[in-house]
Amino acid sequence: NAGVTQTPKFRVLKTGQSMTLLCAQDMNHEYMYWYRQDPGMGLRLIHYSVGEGTTAKGEVPDGYNVSRLKKQNFLLGLESAAPSQTSVYFCASSYSRLARAGEQYFGPGTRLTVT
Amino acid sequence: KQEVTQIPAALSVPEGENLVLNCSFTDSAIYNLQWFRQDPGKGLTSLLLIQSSQREQTSGRLNASLDKSSGRSTLYIAASQPGDSATYLCAVRRNTNAGKSTFGDGTTLTVKP
Repeated sequence: NAGVTQTPKFRVLKTGQSMTLLCAQDMNHEYMYWYRQDPGMGLRLIHYSVGEGTTAKGEVPDGYNVSRLKKQNFLLGLESAAPSQTSVYFCASSYSRLARAGEQYFGPGTRLTVT
Repeated sequence: KQEVTQIPAALSVPEGENLVLNCSFTDSAIYNLQWFRQDPGKGLTSLLLIQSSQREQTSGRLNASLDKSSGRSTLYIAASQPGDSATYLCAVRRNTNAGKSTFGDGTTLTVKP
């Protein structure tokens, strides 16, 4: 049981380049989330998904797109990277039912630098 | 808009001391509150989850309480150890199962041997 995994762990991009961050979970969770963590700003929600094929905007969605084609995977895309997107990106997932509904489990993070 | 505040931002204690970390929130209509631990350069590890109908949860040396009416939660750590050194964050989820969570900025704890 690997929990929540993220690929890649580190990445350096040049302004204007694109990339996709992959999140995978093996806990059969319905809900998945993408956050970014920045010094002094805390953790902020980018996009989230309540099930396969559905996505919704979070607090800071601009410049990002997401897809949830399979229940276990949640992809975060940057179409044209900007220096303001330099951050640590975390994926999380959670149960939808039972006593521990809403408990979030986090991946190890992806450290992205945009130059 | 929900606001979550954690005070103090940093705390340093000698090994063996009992300590309390605080988390306050402005909107009491919450689904649950979750405490996390984050080590430098790592992801968040879930410590305790308190549903809105609960008053406290315990795991080992950790005890978390929730008072919705006053908008406060505390994380009590008994007999602190150097290995407890980390940043502790609380997250408050809106009053739906898939509602968005608002995170505090965390308290960075250092336990000195």
